[in-house]
Amino acid sequence: GAVVSQHPSRVICKSGTSVKIECRSLDFQATTMFWYRQFPKQSLMLMATSNEGSKATYEQGVEKDKFLINHASLTLSTLTVTSAHPEDSSFYICSAYRPWAGQGLYNEQFFGPGTRLTVL
Amino acid sequence: KNEVEQSPQNLTAQEGEFITINCSYSVGISALHWLQQHPGGGIVSLFMLSSGKKKHGRLIATINIQEKHSSLHITASHPRDSAVYICAVIMDSSYKLIFGSGTRLLVRP
Repeated sequence: GAVVSQHPSRVICKSGTSVKIECRSLDFQATTMFWYRQFPKQSLMLMATSNEGSKATYEQGVEKDKFLINHASLTLSTLTVTSAHPEDSSFYICSAYRPWAGQGLYNEQFFGPGTRLTVL
Repeated sequence: KNEVEQSPQNLTAQEGEFITINCSYSVGISALHWLQQHPGGGIVSLFMLSSGKKKHGRLIATINIQEKHSSLHITASHPRDSAVYICAVIMDSSYKLIFGSGTRLLVRP
C-alpha cells in the first residue's frame, strides 16, 4: 500500500503554545487528506477534510480557529493546534485519500502513524 | 444506534485459535475497510473490499452486501496479532469513513 508519514510522532508542549503536525503522502499525490482525533480506548473521530488549494471542511463541533489546516501541496497537509490546552491532549492521525488505485480499488485511504500530543 | 457495529468489543484467545470479528452496518456503502491498530497507535489497512472475500496470509475478510455484514477471520492466531481491529465503511454518497468502535484482541501464548 501507499505510504503516509506524520511528523512529529510525539510532542509535549506547554499550555498556550501552538503545535504544528505535518502529514505527507510519500508515493502518490493526495488532493484530499483527512485529520482524525482519537481519545484513549475510543475510535477515531473525523475532525476535518483537507483539500489541496482550498479551505478545509470541518466536522460539526470542531473549532476551525483552534485547529488550523493548510493543504499547500498535493503531498502535504498540516494541522496546527493553536493555543493548546490540556484537553487538546490526544492522538492525532491523518490519512491520505487515493481515488483510484487500479485493480478495481477505489476510494482508499492510507493512514499516517499518528502524533501523540501532550499538553502540560 | 451506531451506523457501524462491531462485535465482540473485547476478545481473548489462546495462540493457535481461529478468530472471527464481526461488523454490521446500516447505511449504503461503496466499500469497507478492516484496519489494525497496534498499542503504539499506528493504523494499518488490512483490507478494503466491496464484495466477496479477500485473503492475505492468515487473514481473511468477507463481506455480504445484501446482509450488510462483514467478518474478519484470523487463522492460527499468534500473540503478535494482539491489536485493536476496526471496521470502517465508506458511504455511497461520500468518501468519508464511518468507524466501528473497534475490537480489542489479545492472543495469549
